[in-house]
Amino acid sequence: GNSVTQMEGPVTLSEEAFLTINCTYTATGYPSLFWYVQYPGEGLQLLLKATKADDKGSNKGFEATYRKETTSFHLEKGSVQVSDSAVYFCALSGAQFYFGTGTSLTVIP
Amino acid sequence: EAQVTQNPRYLITVTGKKLTVTCSQNMNHEYMSWYRQDPGLGLRQIYYSMNVEVTDKGDVPEGYKVSRKEKRNFPLILESPSPNQTSLYFCASGDSHSYNEQFFGPGTRLTVL
Repeated sequence: GNSVTQMEGPVTLSEEAFLTINCTYTATGYPSLFWYVQYPGEGLQLLLKATKADDKGSNKGFEATYRKETTSFHLEKGSVQVSDSAVYFCALSGAQFYFGTGTSLTVIP
Repeated sequence: EAQVTQNPRYLITVTGKKLTVTCSQNMNHEYMSWYRQDPGLGLRQIYYSMNVEVTDKGDVPEGYKVSRKEKRNFPLILESPSPNQTSLYFCASGDSHSYNEQFFGPGTRLTVL
């Protein structure tokens, strides 16, 4: 069946550090892949998405590339800010959605 | 303002007392879904609906019911809540043409004693 595995947290980085959060998936067919972000006390918001192999999703300085050969969709940002502190979820979809367990990121000044 | 609303936001109840959590969206979305979020388990899909009168089980449907009589509403019903249903619940909606981006409600924190 379909599933998503993402990097365990929590992750703590200093401001302006490089961020990578790993995500791998198992799926039948050709799912779309997403990163969602959850700020404290809020629902999830879409951060970026990719709908087919080799697509790169990007938003607010974050990027992720849909790699079919490695079944991965790792999230990266070159220089994190304190305001990026949140929980990040990798997800895949067909008609049904599957989310990873979430990775908590704290950025310290 | 485009949004998904859930009510109540917080609920404390006792085992066996039927409850309903409402969900409404004003974006004319065809796709709606319910999730529960538990520490260490991420979000797990309970039920989803591709359109009015069409509902399907997600990964963890046991103990829950849903209905989709109108496009905008998708209530979650717990007929006989148990303590293992204590969780944070999210409703979401999306455009089924791509069923890509989902818009999430603010969440309902449910405690079953």
